[in-house]
Amino acid sequence: GDSVTQTEGLVTLTEGLPVMLNCTYQSTYSPFLFWYVQHLNEAPKLLLKSFTDNKRPEHQGFHATLHKSSSSFHLQKSSAQLSDSALYYCALRYNAGAKLTFGGGTRLTVRP
Amino acid sequence: DPKIIQKPKYLVAVTGSEKILICEQYLGHNAMYWYRQSAKKPLEFMFSYSYQKLMDNQTASSRFQPQSSKKNHLDLQITALKPDDSATYFCASSQENSANTEVFFGKGTRLTVV
Repeated sequence: GDSVTQTEGLVTLTEGLPVMLNCTYQSTYSPFLFWYVQHLNEAPKLLLKSFTDNKRPEHQGFHATLHKSSSSFHLQKSSAQLSDSALYYCALRYNAGAKLTFGGGTRLTVRP
Repeated sequence: DPKIIQKPKYLVAVTGSEKILICEQYLGHNAMYWYRQSAKKPLEFMFSYSYQKLMDNQTASSRFQPQSSKKNHLDLQITALKPDDSATYFCASSQENSANTEVFFGKGTRLTVV
């Protein structure tokens, strides 16, 4: 079956340092990949999604590159901000209307 | 202005009782979902509905029953509640026309079973 692996459960960074959150996946099909962000006591919200034409998605300074050869969709940002502190989920979906399969999540804490 | 309304926001229930979690979406979407989030399983898919029909069910227990009375409603009835059912339950929706369509989440119902 489909699965998503996020190897880091907790990441703590100092403000201004680069962010990289890992995401690898296994899927029978060629899925679309997503990053969702969840701030404390809020709903998960879409941060980024992969495109059919392999363009690199970017939003709020974050970007991710889908590498089909390594089945990865790592999330990156050049400089962490305090407001980036949140729970980040990588997810995949292979069909319209199909469920989103989420990874275990990575809690990012950015300190001054 | 929330487009996916979940009620109640917080719910405390006694073991063995029955509760209904309400979800309404005003995004005009044709697919709706339930997810559960707890300390043990961060975001776990439960059900998906498309045009008010059950499409996928990943919940082993029949104590969890989704109910769709209208096309923009997907309630979740939980019977014989157990302490392990304590979690935040998120309702979500999407427009079922592409695999990379965004799935929108409600703010959740936090259920505590005592």
